[in-house]
Amino acid sequence: EVQLEESGGGLVLPGGSLRLSCAASGFTFSAYSMHWVRQTPGKGLEFVSSISGNGGSTFYAKSAKDRFTISRDNSANTLYLQMGSLRAEDKAVYYCARGGYCSATTCYIGGLDVWGQGTTVTVSS
Amino acid sequence: QSVLTQPPSVSAAPGQKVTISCSGSTSNIGNNYVSWYQQLPGTAPKLLISENNKRPSGIPDRFSASKSGTTATLAITGLQTGDEADYYCATWDSRLSLNFGVFGGGTKLNVL
Repeated sequence: EVQLEESGGGLVLPGGSLRLSCAASGFTFSAYSMHWVRQTPGKGLEFVSSISGNGGSTFYAKSAKDRFTISRDNSANTLYLQMGSLRAEDKAVYYCARGGYCSATTCYIGGLDVWGQGTTVTVSS
Repeated sequence: QSVLTQPPSVSAAPGQKVTISCSGSTSNIGNNYVSWYQQLPGTAPKLLISENNKRPSGIPDRFSASKSGTTATLAITGLQTGDEADYYCATWDSRLSLNFGVFGGGTKLNVL
């Protein structure tokens, strides 16, 4: 079965750090670009970061640039999001999703066809 | 403020047809694929339409989509109460200042 499972969410102090993981199974992980998408309480979806299949290309939302780092370990079939300098506005459910194709300079998002169940990040003192 | 504009809500009766628009620009919808997602309360989004108008396996043909210029449209026919959900469009924005994925603000479908 094709599956994505996020972990690593939790409560963190403002200015703190957190690493999210997304374990993939049931498909050839390295063949797919991967994405982190978040949803703030009661609001819509927002792309956070994207990465090519070989990990050589990465893309970030303006809100994530210089604070978050996306990476992947294709040997472990796992996607990561290292988040730092966390702010209250980063509080959200974070989803990992599979799909599209990312080249060195851009991505083609045909459709994100597999999603994890999400992990919740709360930033509060 | 989303780069892609969707109506906040639409309503229709069971059995009727509803359309949801997603308006953008040449840097996003006009030159990139559009996909559509359904999000039922408390669940992760689910892909409904890929590459402007393709239904993944398992998606009923009551769901269809099209794209014309800088506007994409999702259509749902034969509405069912189970279709009550939030619907999102998404694409890539190729502007140099952005060059990133974008979602519409979402549309809540009410089946009256």
